[in-house]
Amino acid sequence: GAGVSQSPSNKVTEKGKDVELRCDPISGHTALYWYRQRLGQGLEFLIYFQGNSAPDKSGLPSDRFSAERTGESVSTLTIQRTQQEDSAVYLCASTPTYKAEQFFGPGTRLTVL
Amino acid sequence: AQSVSQHNHHVILSEAASLELGCNYSYGGTVNLFWYVQYPGQHLQLLLKYFSGDPLVKGIKGFEAEFIKSKFSFNLRKPSVQWSDTAEYFCAVNAGSNTGKLIFGQGTTLQVKP
Repeated sequence: GAGVSQSPSNKVTEKGKDVELRCDPISGHTALYWYRQRLGQGLEFLIYFQGNSAPDKSGLPSDRFSAERTGESVSTLTIQRTQQEDSAVYLCASTPTYKAEQFFGPGTRLTVL
Repeated sequence: AQSVSQHNHHVILSEAASLELGCNYSYGGTVNLFWYVQYPGQHLQLLLKYFSGDPLVKGIKGFEAEFIKSKFSFNLRKPSVQWSDTAEYFCAVNAGSNTGKLIFGQGTTLQVKP
């Protein structure tokens, strides 16, 4: 079946604008994660969704960042009033259970000018 | 705070050379350990993982890693690298989390010269 998909693949925006990034997990995967990878660095955890449970938002860097997921389907990550330091690759991963391997999407490369 | 450290940021090897990439983590409890690889132009994929049992785990493409609890290490090895192993390698740890969130090292870029 299809893997994790993300859109857009690239996004260039101006400082201060809002952006919305989308993730389509693998069908049947109940757990979904967002990570951020800044240039030359490892991935940083942002947020975790598991079914209808309350999400783990402990990795969100500021209140400008938010994410939603409806059931076990698509998730959107929204960054309001973007700043240059938000420039990074945003990766989504899904897994059938939090104990298993995470399957990553191709990422969205965000550039804030 | 929990952290993962990869000692080598950029490694250059010739084909057939042996490879060992270091990974150390800071957490005293039960851990699940992973190595992910990102080939040029591709997305992250799992190389191997350790959850429990035999501390020597084998992954795809001839890679293996050894979990040494006393050293808080999970080093990646391959006896003979190929040009196609050129990629970025990430060590990751799920340390005592009931959410499965991963803590990643900074990554190691491996360049294999033909």
